[in-house]
Amino acid sequence: EVQLVESGGGLVQPGGSLRLSCVASGFTFSRHWMHWVRQAPGKGLVWVSRIKSDGSSTSYADSVKGRITISRDNAKNTLYLQMNSLRAEDTAVYYCAREEVYDDISGYHYTPFDYWGQGTLVTVSS
Amino acid sequence: DIQMTQSPSSLSASVGDRVTITCRASQSISTYLNWYQQKPGKAPKFLIFAASSLQSGVPSRFSGSGSGTDFTLTISSLQPEDFATYYCQQSYSIPPAFGQGTKVEIK
Repeated sequence: EVQLVESGGGLVQPGGSLRLSCVASGFTFSRHWMHWVRQAPGKGLVWVSRIKSDGSSTSYADSVKGRITISRDNAKNTLYLQMNSLRAEDTAVYYCAREEVYDDISGYHYTPFDYWGQGTLVTVSS
Repeated sequence: DIQMTQSPSSLSASVGDRVTITCRASQSISTYLNWYQQKPGKAPKFLIFAASSLQSGVPSRFSGSGSGTDFTLTISSLQPEDFATYYCQQSYSIPPAFGQGTKVEIK
């Protein structure tokens, strides 16, 4: 059974730092791109960042670029999100999500997020 | 960046009703469109990829259609467990944007 379990959330002051973790099990973690998606209270889903299966490539939303770093340790089946210079607007539930690749008969690759963790709440407030 | 717009933002429906949710992309995304369902306090659940392909285990009352910029999610006969918020998401390019969500409520 595929499982993604996030941890590391909590209350942090503006300007502070936090590191989120997502432990994966039930699948070959090193074969999948992984993503972080966040959801502010009462709001919609917002993509934050992604990392290639071997960790060699990363991408970020403009709103977090320069403040957040995604990384992974394939030996530990763990995804990370290092969050620095936190702002009130970073307050959200943070989900890790697995990207799966589906190929159709034409050779197109579709990459939805097929499994999600339960989320960890980050609250930025003084 | 590609923007995704869903309509309506919310709707009220009864058990057994046919429900249709629309998602529009700000530019063509071919069929790189996914749908998710989210219930309060829970993580999103993956429903549909490639605009119309049902994920394994998803009931057949759910269907998706569309290509280019206009897409729809249809629930043919709404069941009590379907009351939730639905999100579309494009996977054509980075950033993989989500729509703002459509909340399906009980009438």
